[in-house]
Amino acid sequence: EVQLVQSGAEVKKPGESLKIACEGSGYNFSTDWIGWVRQMPGKGLELMGAIYPGDSDTTYSPSFQGQVSISADKSISTAYLQWSSLRASDTAIYYCARQNGYVADSFDIWGQGTMVTVSS
Amino acid sequence: DIQLTQSPSSLSASVGDRVTITCRASQPITNFLSWFQQKPGNAPKLLIYAASYLQSGVPSRFSGSGSGTDFTLTIGSLQPEDFATYYCQQTNTPPRTFGQGTKVDFK
Repeated sequence: EVQLVQSGAEVKKPGESLKIACEGSGYNFSTDWIGWVRQMPGKGLELMGAIYPGDSDTTYSPSFQGQVSISADKSISTAYLQWSSLRASDTAIYYCARQNGYVADSFDIWGQGTMVTVSS
Repeated sequence: DIQLTQSPSSLSASVGDRVTITCRASQPITNFLSWFQQKPGNAPKLLIYAASYLQSGVPSRFSGSGSGTDFTLTIGSLQPEDFATYYCQQTNTPPRTFGQGTKVDFK
């Protein structure tokens, strides 16, 4: 079964750092882009950026450039989303999703989401 | 960035109704448009890709159409499990933006 499994919920204080993970299985993790999508409470979907695990080529949406860092370790089929200094406004659910060329580069497989709460 | 505007933002419907949601792009995106369904507490689910192609396993009551700037998602006969929020996304030009969503609830 093709799936993405994300790390568990996090509760952090403003200014703390955080790295969340997304592990793929059931397919060749190296050959499909992985995107990260933010959903703030009660709001819509926002694409933050994406990474090609095969060579770690990374793109960021302008709103998120410099705010987060996306990385991957293809040897363990895992992508990461990282913050160096969290803010209360980073409170959201974060999804990873596979971008599949066979379905016109759509996100066909999604992780279950990681809830990040930032509060003092 | 390409802006996607969905209409309506919300709608109320009954089981058996035919439901249509539109997505308008701020510039042409050929047919690089996907539709997703999201239920509360769940990740989004891909319904339609390349504007009109049904993702494997998705019921045939869902259909998509359009090209260029104007796109439509149609639910042929609304079922109880279809009450959800629907999003469009363009995959033509980075950043691959989403529409703001359309919530479909019970009339």
